[in-house]
Amino acid sequence: TQLLEQSPQFLSIQEGENLTVYCNSSSVFSSLQWYRQEPGEGPVLLVTVVTGGEVKKLKRLTFQFGDARKDSSLHITAAQPGDTGLYLCAPRMTTDSWGKLQFGAGTQVVVTP
Amino acid sequence: DTEVTQTPKHLVMGMTNKKSLKCEQHMGHRAMYWYKQKAKKPPELMFVYSYEKLSINESVPSRFSPECPNSSLLNLHLHALQPEDSALYLCASSQQGQTLSSYNEQFFGPGTRLTVL
Repeated sequence: TQLLEQSPQFLSIQEGENLTVYCNSSSVFSSLQWYRQEPGEGPVLLVTVVTGGEVKKLKRLTFQFGDARKDSSLHITAAQPGDTGLYLCAPRMTTDSWGKLQFGAGTQVVVTP
Repeated sequence: DTEVTQTPKHLVMGMTNKKSLKCEQHMGHRAMYWYKQKAKKPPELMFVYSYEKLSINESVPSRFSPECPNSSLLNLHLHALQPEDSALYLCASSQQGQTLSSYNEQFFGPGTRLTVL
């Protein structure tokens, strides 16, 4: 299993503030997915990034994939209480066998009104 | 239909019981997965089925027995579980892709909250 770091572990912010979550490894990712999980539910796929340097936007969420494909970030602008949840990065390593999705430790985001 | 369904939503069982978790998808996906998730932790892969055949078993104890009766259904049979097996059990499915270029985007069900007494 490759070393995968997701940070921070926990973020508590007020509505309207911005936040960024990071996912890093010393290994190269062939692709990376971001999921959000709400309490008592399964993770929901937000985005897949594939190309180094890629930026994707989903409403107030901006996802970046590092040029070297070893890191990714998720930025939320003007967070709302509905953004509360566990954010998980899930990269596909170039050395992974098919079917294995390695999840980061997760970032618990709490947005208070 | 873009949904993965799981039943039951909650399950409480004793250590001597036998029970089964069920998962269903109608997206035409040919890969299905079982994950275990403890509180405040990410999901941990247990099993992967590809074209109804078990392709990955992550050294899961034999008290967990997966079954894939057809391409839409996935079961997890439970027997003689331990209290430490209490967790959220998640099922997921994805398009089948055999190459490293496939993204393996997985769609998750809501999970079964299992409590072992």
